[in-house]
Amino acid sequence: DTAVSQTPKYLVTQMGNDKSIKCEQNLGHDTMYWYKQDSKKFLKIMFSYNNKELIINETVPNRFSPKSPDKAHLNLHINSLELGDSAVYFCASSQVMRDDSPLHFGNGTRLTVT
Amino acid sequence: AQKITQTQPGMFVQEKEAVTLDCTYDTSDPSYGLFWYKQPSSGEMIFLIYQGSYDQQNATEGRYSLNFQKARKSANLVISASQLGDSAMYFCAMREGYSGNTPLVFGKGTRLSVIA
Repeated sequence: DTAVSQTPKYLVTQMGNDKSIKCEQNLGHDTMYWYKQDSKKFLKIMFSYNNKELIINETVPNRFSPKSPDKAHLNLHINSLELGDSAVYFCASSQVMRDDSPLHFGNGTRLTVT
Repeated sequence: AQKITQTQPGMFVQEKEAVTLDCTYDTSDPSYGLFWYKQPSSGEMIFLIYQGSYDQQNATEGRYSLNFQKARKSANLVISASQLGDSAMYFCAMREGYSGNTPLVFGKGTRLSVIA
């Protein structure tokens, strides 16, 4: 009965490769997010989707492309991976009609680019 | 400018003692919400407590309470009766506006170590 699940948990790959991270939530939430946590533990919003529609696209390189096939799924595809992309990527979801709705996070995907 | 400031990179507390983790925020929006999260060494993000800008009383959840001082724009987390399992990173975060689909902006976190 996992609420927000991400796969894979670990991803090790070489520079220049393309990789995807999948995220699914079974909470019935309307909004999903991708956050990046760097080596100093700083969490920064990358994207936000509401009902499959992109709402927020922070200054993220074009190599990162989110895709939301339905409101329960938000995947992240990364092209031409670079060393600086190494980080932990968190998927999260929240309920749009509740201003007190916390973000429910997945367990994170640790991406290591060598 | 930083919207959320956590000035304590690291804190130590003796087991069974109370500890306060500081958080100040910056917003001109009258409607906002403040959240605290815990991230243990295993890496997951655990929601602890929420305080709305219009809430008259300080939020409490078990051993967690929020010392909300609106005029000072501070929302400090108080953990009472610290336990070894409280050792973790703690993040303060803010949502501006009155919609649940606005992302949270996080502070840089405070690493709490509980000593036996």
